[in-house]
Amino acid sequence: DAKTTQPPSMDCAEGRAANLPCNHSTISGNEYVYWYRQIHSQGPQYIIHGLKNNETNEMASLIITEDRKSSTLILPHATLRDTAVYYCIVGHAGGTSYGKLTFGQGTILTVHP
Amino acid sequence: DGGITQSPKYLFRKEGQNVTLSCEQNLNHDAMYWYRQDPGQGLRLIYYSQIVNDFQKGDIAEGYSVSREKKESFPLTVTSAQKNPTAFYLCASSPDRSYYEQYFGPGTRLTVT
Repeated sequence: DAKTTQPPSMDCAEGRAANLPCNHSTISGNEYVYWYRQIHSQGPQYIIHGLKNNETNEMASLIITEDRKSSTLILPHATLRDTAVYYCIVGHAGGTSYGKLTFGQGTILTVHP
Repeated sequence: DGGITQSPKYLFRKEGQNVTLSCEQNLNHDAMYWYRQDPGQGLRLIYYSQIVNDFQKGDIAEGYSVSREKKESFPLTVTSAQKNPTAFYLCASSPDRSYYEQYFGPGTRLTVT
């Protein structure tokens, strides 16, 4: 599976958009980009995933560059409850892969009042 | 509401005792997973199951056992053979053919003294 690189920390003002970048320059053609977050002392929470088209759900938007070497997770109106560690991973959607999640260091997002 | 439940949230045991952690899901997912997370560390896969009556060892299965008699349930037993059982245990499930899209329970924090 391709490796990912994320900034160690970011700050955002409450109510503003939080844009979290991720580099995955070695991603292969059939690997998806997945985003998770983990709030302190809680289990990880799946946010969104995509292959090459931009995706949006009730939590966030995912923008993947045309060459698929990087992506950005957008939280459109960040709240204090969005303060968490955000993880970007890449992996195959199915087939024989059983989906062992391996998080890197992630990005610590701190949302300020 | 669909989701994954784990119980109890906190568990205390004496050394030498086996303990079983509960994990139930009503998401109709075929695949289920058990992870362990130590303070400041990432996830480590203990066991996973892709279908009822079948399960596979993950990276750190020694000292643990599981069963998968029902689609909804995947209990984990921490045996006395596990050398460092004190940890945060997380159960997850994923839809078939989207193994990296995992939904986590709230976790069980086990303390063995």
